Amino acid sequence: GDSVTQMEGPVTLSEEAFLTINCTYTATGYPSLFWYVQYPGEGLQLLLKATKADDKGSNKGFEATYRKETTSFHLEKGSVQVSDSAVYFCALSDGGGSARQLTFGSGTQLTVLP
Amino acid sequence: GAVVSQHPSRVICKSGTSVKIECRSLDFQATTMFWYRQFPKQSLMLMATSNEGSKATYEQGVEKDKFLINHASLTLSTLTVTSAHPEDSSFYICSASLPGQGKTEAFFGQGTRLTVV
Repeated sequence: GDSVTQMEGPVTLSEEAFLTINCTYTATGYPSLFWYVQYPGEGLQLLLKATKADDKGSNKGFEATYRKETTSFHLEKGSVQVSDSAVYFCALSDGGGSARQLTFGSGTQLTVLP
Repeated sequence: GAVVSQHPSRVICKSGTSVKIECRSLDFQATTMFWYRQFPKQSLMLMATSNEGSKATYEQGVEKDKFLINHASLTLSTLTVTSAHPEDSSFYICSASLPGQGKTEAFFGQGTRLTVV
């Protein structure tokens, strides 16, 4: 079955540091890939997505590129801020991108220190 | 954007009691909502699909009589954990998508941390 393996946290960085959170996946077919973020006390929010190989999703300075050859969708940001502190989830959808078919990684807690 | 509200955010209950968790779509109608469960340091696992006006569809291994789902209106789905036991302690989260073709982004509630003592 489909699965998502995500870098374990917690991750603690200083403000303006470079961020990478690794995510690899296993899926039959051609999934869509997502990064969701959960800020303290809030629900999950879609951060970015990519629907086909070599697509790059980007939002709020975060980027992730759909790499079919390495089955990866690593999340990166060049300069993190304290406000980026949250839990980040990598997820895939095995068809259509509907919520029904989301498979999640375990989540990575990011703390950014001033 | 669309807002999904989940209540309560935290609940502690005694073994043997039942707990109801509500999931509301605040500014849109959701014919379908989804319930996930997350164990510590593990993935969110889909438990069931809640369909307005009909029975929920449960994933394999999820006990229907244990986790009762009611989707009585287009803006509310409830998950009731019946006769709760400590092993039911977990993080439960719901989601919904906007109706209409092509509207596939999932909007999530804040989640509910259930602790059974």
